[in-house]
Amino acid sequence: AAGVIQSPRHLIKEKRETATLKCYPIPRHDTVYWYQQGPGQDPQFLISFYEKMQSDKGSIPDRFSAQQFSDYHSELNMSSLELGDSALYFCASSLEKATSDRTQYFGPGTRLLVL
Amino acid sequence: AQTVTQSQPEMSVQEAETVTLSCTYDTSESDYYLFWYKQPPSRQMILVIRQEAYKQQNATENRFSVNFQKAAKSFSLKISDSQLGDAAMYFCAYRSYPQGAQKLVFGQGTRLTINP
Repeated sequence: AAGVIQSPRHLIKEKRETATLKCYPIPRHDTVYWYQQGPGQDPQFLISFYEKMQSDKGSIPDRFSAQQFSDYHSELNMSSLELGDSALYFCASSLEKATSDRTQYFGPGTRLLVL
Repeated sequence: AQTVTQSQPEMSVQEAETVTLSCTYDTSESDYYLFWYKQPPSRQMILVIRQEAYKQQNATENRFSVNFQKAAKSFSLKISDSQLGDAAMYFCAYRSYPQGAQKLVFGQGTRLTINP
């Protein structure tokens, strides 16, 4: 079965640079979520999109922005990168309409290292 | 706001034995979902089992089962016949019921070690 695809899998950036993370949800899934997981921590919710509309925001810095496109893929844009942004970034997707499942399935994550 | 607590930072079990991981949560909602996710050293987040709060029957998936106590707001995971491949960080997570992009709220995680 198709899974959530994230690219790139690894990314190394310098401070103050910009990064773009991409997420391709499971086909037919209508909802995308972004989470950030620091070392030794649980995943923290950043932002979500339902049917291509921003739905909810968590503890996402103003330096970060995201959007979901017409084909349902999503991009997380991160500017003015700081050392503290080094983390594992997960994208997850779920199917919300016409189902009571609503399980979030996670991609493999993008490991971002800011030097 | 909902919170999820896993009071066992680490657990260990002998291979082929049974282990139970604890999770408690706090919510004022009556309908919601609960999940257990597994994160092996590869750091992939893998769904282990899910429970819908309105279902009284405890969910099971092969060697994995839950003990869902709604009144006590408790959601423990039992792993039977533990295998070396079960070694991972296990996260308990809560999600509100309504349709739409409801975020997952995670516990702090329990690191499970399997002793051969």
